[in-house]
Amino acid sequence: NAGVMQNPRHLVRRRGQEARLRCSPMKGHSHVYWYRQLPEEGLKFMVYLQKENIIDESGMPKERFSAEFPKEGPSILRIQQVVRGDSAAYFCASSLGQGAENIQYFGAGTRLSVL
Amino acid sequence: DAKTTQPPSMDCAEGRAANLPCNHSTISGNEYVYWYRQIHSQGPQYIIHGLKNNETNEMASLIITEDRKYSTLILPHATLRDTAVYYCIVRGQGAQKLVFGQGTRLTINP
Repeated sequence: NAGVMQNPRHLVRRRGQEARLRCSPMKGHSHVYWYRQLPEEGLKFMVYLQKENIIDESGMPKERFSAEFPKEGPSILRIQQVVRGDSAAYFCASSLGQGAENIQYFGAGTRLSVL
Repeated sequence: DAKTTQPPSMDCAEGRAANLPCNHSTISGNEYVYWYRQIHSQGPQYIIHGLKNNETNEMASLIITEDRKYSTLILPHATLRDTAVYYCIVRGQGAQKLVFGQGTRLTINP
């Protein structure tokens, strides 16, 4: 079984451009989570989505960041008008169901560098 | 979710058992203990989880004290590839997100 697939693995953007990060969950998983890891810091939760619905976006910055998980296709984390402080590793995880007994499996991440 | 406390770093000799402790003294009855690790620059890797009983899988063993306030992750025969940051996470039934602390940086020495 393929694991959680994220692309691109590395993304370079200039300040003011848009960044689109993609995440394909494991087969059969309909729950997706995005986390961010700033340089030399721990992982921080951003958003939790179920197919076509945002369930918890308590960790998302209020501006410029959005996420979606359409009925067909991967989940997308979109960052508009990127700034240098957005440079980080962005990890996606997926799970079969909700609740604490459902394991979240992580992808390899997308490393965003903003010049 | 209950807070966890882990030592910031540990060393272990290759081939020996690595025992990583975690303090979660405020854990409540329906909260799970999860362990993940992050090898440099890679995505977090699930290791094991448990509620009350000790658990074992192909990667590790998880020992949870009877009062559930402490747990120990055991890597039975550590290799150089086990060098990573290990995270102990307590996760309640209604919690969707994982809350990562600073973890323990485990270094396996040849």
